[in-house]
Amino acid sequence: DAKTTQPNSMESNEEEPVHLPCNHSTISGTDYIHWYRQLPSQGPEYVIHGLTSNVNNRMASLAIAEDRKSSTLILHRATLRDAAVYYCILEETSGSRLTFGEGTQLTVNP
Amino acid sequence: GAGVSQSPSNKVTEKGKDVELRCDPISGHTALYWYRQSLGQGLEFLIYFQGNSAPDKSGLPSDRFSAERTGGSVSTLTIQRTQQEDSAVYLCASSLRTGMNTEAFFGQGTRLTVV
Repeated sequence: DAKTTQPNSMESNEEEPVHLPCNHSTISGTDYIHWYRQLPSQGPEYVIHGLTSNVNNRMASLAIAEDRKSSTLILHRATLRDAAVYYCILEETSGSRLTFGEGTQLTVNP
Repeated sequence: GAGVSQSPSNKVTEKGKDVELRCDPISGHTALYWYRQSLGQGLEFLIYFQGNSAPDKSGLPSDRFSAERTGGSVSTLTIQRTQQEDSAVYLCASSLRTGMNTEAFFGQGTRLTVV
């Protein structure tokens, strides 16, 4: 399975932007980059995904490096409800699963 | 319902007993996944269904674990002769189809405690 590397934890202040990095140097040309988050005591929740171009939705933005070996999830204005573990996942063309790593624990300070 | 439903939400069982965990996916979703999450850990893939078939069972930890899906809808994960190390939250997810460019929807999970 293609591997992703994320920092174990990050902190942000409320109403400030947050940039969550992810390295995926072994990504292949057809792997999609997915981001999920898991709030305490809940199942994971889809955030965003993309292939090559940057993506925006109501929750976040996804910036993908030109060589696709890294990506950044951007929360434009963090709220206390954004405190969660954020997972960066590569969905492989040949695969049938999302392989979750350890993720980044985001703490949002009031 | 609007989302993935799992039951029971909590289950306490004695070591050696069998348990069944149920997952009701979103209507029309052909792909269904089971994961488990031990306390403070990431998600561990168990099995995936496409329709009623399970092309990928590679994550099942032992032959005590089995799963089935009927009518392309409800799935049951069965753990026989439960052990304490089976204690975890078991999560089910469904998506319209497998492969790239799909969004998976997760249930709230079943918290299994083996005493």
